[in-house]
Amino acid sequence: AQSVTQLGSHVSVSEGALVLLRCNYSSSVPPYLFWYVQYPNQGLQLLLKYTTGATLVKGINGFEAEFKKSETSFHLTKPSAHMSDAAEYFCAVSGGSNYKLTFGKGTLLTVNP
Amino acid sequence: SQTIHQWPATLVQPVGSPLSLECTVEGTSNPNLYWYRQAAGRGLQLLFYSVGIGQISSEVPQNLSASRPQDRQFILSSKKLLLSDSGFYLCAWSGTSSGNTIYFGEGSWLTVV
Repeated sequence: AQSVTQLGSHVSVSEGALVLLRCNYSSSVPPYLFWYVQYPNQGLQLLLKYTTGATLVKGINGFEAEFKKSETSFHLTKPSAHMSDAAEYFCAVSGGSNYKLTFGKGTLLTVNP
Repeated sequence: SQTIHQWPATLVQPVGSPLSLECTVEGTSNPNLYWYRQAAGRGLQLLFYSVGIGQISSEVPQNLSASRPQDRQFILSSKKLLLSDSGFYLCAWSGTSSGNTIYFGEGSWLTVV
């Protein structure tokens, strides 16, 4: 079984500041980890994913995440926030052959001018 | 490339009325198909998934059902809607052509009044 905890349901940053969205997971099998972004009234868009190999994963829009097995974490970062980054972000984990995803409850990112 | 379509985009239905949401995937064969529901403040909940025609697994006991009449078609239904069925419904797919990544449609807003 898998579970995901996203620390902070709402994160607010200033434009140009570092973005850090936290995600911790639990999984009984080697996990596949994902970050998705959701803009208002839209579906989810894949930002990045970790499956195997390099633990630092780069995604779209300047985001990256690092898989830390010892900390069971997969935090999402971006060096400099842009107004267009304002959205809800979901961390997810899957394991096994049917690719079912278990999601965290999401973190709403607000970017202030 | 693969695309996923779901409709209708928005729906307002009275309590006790039936429901049918449809989803189709193009550009791939034998996909895994999923229905998720997103209720306010509750993240995303997997409702059903299907690994093939006529094969449906239900994740949560509820007032809804799913069917897969064709390889790339997935339908979410209800005979009598409840107020608690209101939410944002997302269809998704994964498969050999997507690796282990799940891709989402644009979603359908259901309001039960």
